Amino acid sequence: NAGVTQTPKFQVLKTGQSMTLQCAQDMNHEYMSWYRQDPGMGLRLIHYSVGAGITDQGEVPNGYNVSRSTTEDFPLRLLSAAPSQTSVYFCASSSNIAGGPGNEQFFGPGTRLTVL
Amino acid sequence: AQSVTQPDIHITVSEGASLELRCNYSYGATPYLFWYVQSPGQGLQLLLKYFSGDTLVQGIKGFEAEFKRSQSSFNLRKPSVHWSDAAEYFCAVGSGYSTLTFGKGTMLLVSP
Repeated sequence: NAGVTQTPKFQVLKTGQSMTLQCAQDMNHEYMSWYRQDPGMGLRLIHYSVGAGITDQGEVPNGYNVSRSTTEDFPLRLLSAAPSQTSVYFCASSSNIAGGPGNEQFFGPGTRLTVL
Repeated sequence: AQSVTQPDIHITVSEGASLELRCNYSYGATPYLFWYVQSPGQGLQLLLKYFSGDTLVQGIKGFEAEFKRSQSSFNLRKPSVHWSDAAEYFCAVGSGYSTLTFGKGTMLLVSP
């Protein structure tokens, strides 16, 4: 199993450009999430999904869109990038078996995004 | 809403000394608690978790944590720190849909 994969590893954008951060998992996990990590802020939840076709907002959703058309993929879209979106982005997945909130989340390696 | 506080931004420990990283949480129900470690430029690795049973939890790499409901704490400990333990440590509380609320992290520096 590859686990959780994210592409690209690094990206530089200009203000106003759009892009999609890709996330895929091969563990047949129902739950997937996107977090952003900023220095001194820990990780904050952007959006999450509890299954194909179902998404919801987290703590910091503004400026980001998501969709979940398959169990495996959960892309994060920036429609018009802003310097405030400079961050490291992590995708995570977990199963929905008994224990729900207690199930381990598996994290991808992250995407480092710089918006100029 | 749940929250996690890690009071120490940085901690420096001598190699071979003991370590305790503090974590306090705020959560209305029975908490699901986690400790993750992140080495520079890397992703997050789960050290240990607690959601029921024995309040002293053993994890990987010789770490343990103790859940104290009366103090709303879940402190991470290691009896003897190695230079390879230098990293950033995050405490987190789990919520209903397997999402996590993280603390702001504690950076551990290990001195020779």
